[in-house]
Amino acid sequence: KAGVTQTPRYLIKTRGQQVTLSCSPISGHRSVSWYQQTPGQGLQFLFEYFSETQRNKGNFPGRFSGRQFSNSRSEMNVSTLELGDSALYLCASSLVGWTREDEKLFFGSGTQLSVL
Amino acid sequence: DAKTTQPPSMDCAEGRAANLPCNHSTISGNEYVYWYRQIHSQGPQYIIHGLKNNETNEMASLIITEDRKSSTLILPHATLRDTAVYYCIVGLNAGKSTFGDGTTLTVKP
Repeated sequence: KAGVTQTPRYLIKTRGQQVTLSCSPISGHRSVSWYQQTPGQGLQFLFEYFSETQRNKGNFPGRFSGRQFSNSRSEMNVSTLELGDSALYLCASSLVGWTREDEKLFFGSGTQLSVL
Repeated sequence: DAKTTQPPSMDCAEGRAANLPCNHSTISGNEYVYWYRQIHSQGPQYIIHGLKNNETNEMASLIITEDRKSSTLILPHATLRDTAVYYCIVGLNAGKSTFGDGTTLTVKP
């Protein structure tokens, strides 16, 4: 059974640009969550999608957005990139997500974004 | 969700058992204890989780105290590949919980 796939693995952008990251969840999983990980802030929750709807959102500015497609694949977009957006962006999939107790998350390997 | 406290770092000799402690004194009755680990620059990997009873799977064992205020993750025969940051998180659902700083486990030959 294939795991969570994130593309691209590495990305270099300059300030002001925008970026789109992709996440393919485990087959059958309908919930996709996105996280930002930096050395100083640790793992921070961005948003969670289920059945193409954003159900939960973390405390990030509107420059960070996402969407989910009917096949559960998800993308996140960051517009007007800032130096502080340099981070490892992780997505995680689960069967039904946050509404169910005892739910395990399965993470992808992440996209390492560097903003110059 | 309850807050967890873990030692920042631990060492373990290869082939020996690694016992990683976690305190979660404010855990609620219906909150689970989850353990994940993260190898450098990879995504966190699920290890094990439990509610009240001790749990064991092919990767590790989880021992939860009777009062549920602390737990221990046991890697029975640590290998060099077990060197990673180990996160203990507590919550109704792993996605809602907060990943703290974790414990950096270094397995030494």
